[in-house]
Amino acid sequence: KAGVTQTPRYLIKTRGQQVTLSCSPISGHRSVSWYQQTPGQGLQFLFEYFSETQRNKGNFPGRFSGRQFSNSRSEMNVSTLELGDSALYLCASSLGGYNQPQHFGDGTRLSIL
Amino acid sequence: SQQGEEDPQALSIQEGENATMNCSYKTSINNLQWYRQNSGRGLVHLILIRSNEREKHSGRLRVTLDTSKKSSSLLITASRAADTASYFCATAPFDSGTYKYIFGTGTRLKVLA
Repeated sequence: KAGVTQTPRYLIKTRGQQVTLSCSPISGHRSVSWYQQTPGQGLQFLFEYFSETQRNKGNFPGRFSGRQFSNSRSEMNVSTLELGDSALYLCASSLGGYNQPQHFGDGTRLSIL
Repeated sequence: SQQGEEDPQALSIQEGENATMNCSYKTSINNLQWYRQNSGRGLVHLILIRSNEREKHSGRLRVTLDTSKKSSSLLITASRAADTASYFCATAPFDSGTYKYIFGTGTRLKVLA
C-alpha cells in the first residue's frame, strides 16, 4: 500500500507570494491533517479534514487555508507569505475514527526569502 | 501552546542500553501516541495507548500511561544505532475529540555504536 505522498518536497518562495501544497493520503483514509514544524515552535496543528469537511482548526491566521477533495486528496494554501512561514509542513492521514494512528508523509520544506 | 512536554530533551546512550523518555501533558485525553522522526523525514507512528489502558508493548517498545499524573513513558529496550531519532508524544485532548492532536517538544535520542 502506498504511503502518504506530499508534493513538492522543497519549495522556495519570497515574501508576499502565495503557495499551495498537496497531500495524497493512504488509499481508504478519509481524514487528512496538516501540521507545521519549526525549530522554535515544534509541531503545531493547522487543521483536519474528513470527507471534504474541516472538523478541527488550530490557532493559525486566516492566511492558512485548506481543502479536501472527494478523493480525499488535500491541499493547503498559504497566502501573503511571511519569513516566519518557513517550516516543514507535514500531512498525515488516518481512517478518521476514534483512536486511529496517523500516518505521515515526508513533508514539504518551505523556505521564504 | 504545547500540550506535551518530553523529558529529557536529549539523550545519548550506548548500543544495547535501554532508553526511557517521559511525556507530561496538561488536560484530560482520549489517547496518547508516540511517534519517531528521523532527520528531515516525516513521523512514524510507534504506539497508541488509550486513556483506559495503563501499559502497552510493541516489540522492543513499552509504553506506560498514568492519567492521574498526566504522564507517559516510552521505554526502548536493547537500543540500536537505527533507533537514533527524535521521539514525540501526541495527545488528543478530550474536549476536542480525537481529531486534533497536540505534539510535545520531543526527545532527541542518539544511540552510539
